[in-house]
Amino acid sequence: GNSVTQMEGPVTLSEEAFLTINCTYTATGYPSLFWYVQYPGEGLQLLLKATKADDKGSNKGFEATYRKETTSFHLEKGSVQVSDSAVYFCALSGANAGNMLTFGGGTRLMVKP
Amino acid sequence: EPEVTQTPSHQVTQMGQEVILRCVPISNHLYFYWYRQILGQKVEFLVSFYNNEISEKSEIFDDQFSVERPDGSNFTLKIRSTKLEDSAMYFCASRLTVSGNTIYFGEGSWLTVV
Repeated sequence: GNSVTQMEGPVTLSEEAFLTINCTYTATGYPSLFWYVQYPGEGLQLLLKATKADDKGSNKGFEATYRKETTSFHLEKGSVQVSDSAVYFCALSGANAGNMLTFGGGTRLMVKP
Repeated sequence: EPEVTQTPSHQVTQMGQEVILRCVPISNHLYFYWYRQILGQKVEFLVSFYNNEISEKSEIFDDQFSVERPDGSNFTLKIRSTKLEDSAMYFCASRLTVSGNTIYFGEGSWLTVV
């Protein structure tokens, strides 16, 4: 079945540091890949997505590239801000009926001033 | 921007009681989902719903759970006899079509079973 593995947190960074959160996946066929963000006390918000190999999703300074050869979709940001503190979830959506999302375990990011 | 709305935002219920969580998906969307997140744990798929029937469900979605689309706008999750371990954040989500489109989530309903 489908599965997503992402690095365990928490990840603690200083403001303006470079961020990488690793995500790898296992899936049959050609899934779509997503990063969702959950700010404290809020629901899940789509951060970015990529629907085919070599696509790069980007939003709010975050980027992730769909790498089929390494089955990865690592999240990066060049300069994090305190307001980026949240839990980040990598997810995939397969080609099966219903196309539900399979989530990774989430990575908590804490950015200190 | 259209959004998925959920009510209540928080509900406390006694063990053994029935609970109904309500969702209004985005109006032209065709696929509907319920997920749950036990505090500090992974977001887990419960059920997907299309064309007025369940299209897929997980092992978590046992006989005590049911879903319904009673009218053209609401999508409900019913838990018949709540257990302590049902305490979680329940997210409703919707999607326009099956392939390639984004799944949009509501803000969630916190359920606390005491």
